Amino acid sequence: AQKITQTQPGMFVQEKEAVTLDCTYDTSDQSYGLFWYKQPSSGEMIFLIYQGSYDEQNATEGRYSLNFQKARKSANLVISASQLGDSAMYFCAMREGGTQAGTALIFGKGTTLSVSS
Amino acid sequence: DAMVIQNPRYQVTQFGKPVTLSCSQTLNHNVMYWYQQKSSQAPKLLFHYYDKDFNNEADTPDNFQSRRPNTSFCFLDIRSPGLGDAAMYLCATSKTREGHTDTQYFGPGTRLTVL
Repeated sequence: AQKITQTQPGMFVQEKEAVTLDCTYDTSDQSYGLFWYKQPSSGEMIFLIYQGSYDEQNATEGRYSLNFQKARKSANLVISASQLGDSAMYFCAMREGGTQAGTALIFGKGTTLSVSS
Repeated sequence: DAMVIQNPRYQVTQFGKPVTLSCSQTLNHNVMYWYQQKSSQAPKLLFHYYDKDFNNEADTPDNFQSRRPNTSFCFLDIRSPGLGDAAMYLCATSKTREGHTDTQYFGPGTRLTVL
């Protein structure tokens, strides 16, 4: 079974609109971390936002917020006021095992976001 | 300022000819990772160094090796590249902090072409 599921291969949004990218995860660990990364066509993986499994409040970083619903095992990324520069591939990822260093990030298959003017 | 640097950004090699990719970091992070990302796929961890301790993923082919001569540098060696090894290779770093799930920060990647 997939650990990270991103069901939207592609999303299209107009500038200044908000968009939600879906992510569901599967783990039996109590302690885990959820991440969103942005990968433009240049290839660099850019860290956007992090949510810990014990964090009670949803994470926010500027225009990015993470809608964390633990019971549903979902961690959707919300981008407010989309910009042309937001066009990229977006990956949801999970780290299991609490604070153990060196554990692999498990990535979803990604969602391609296209922002038009 | 770049914090995780990968050189070269693009590498072309011939089938079977050894190639080395390099990664350096200015973050003083104690963990360094190498991921392989094939076209239209998610990144996959090959191995990582936790300080000087090397940790190989179970399904990483023997063809892939790594060296970490000091905290700042880490190298990926592909001993005999095959056509299937053409991919983007991403280096990442993280710092362990007690009580925190450390974030991994990535470099810009090296895109490897095998002819």
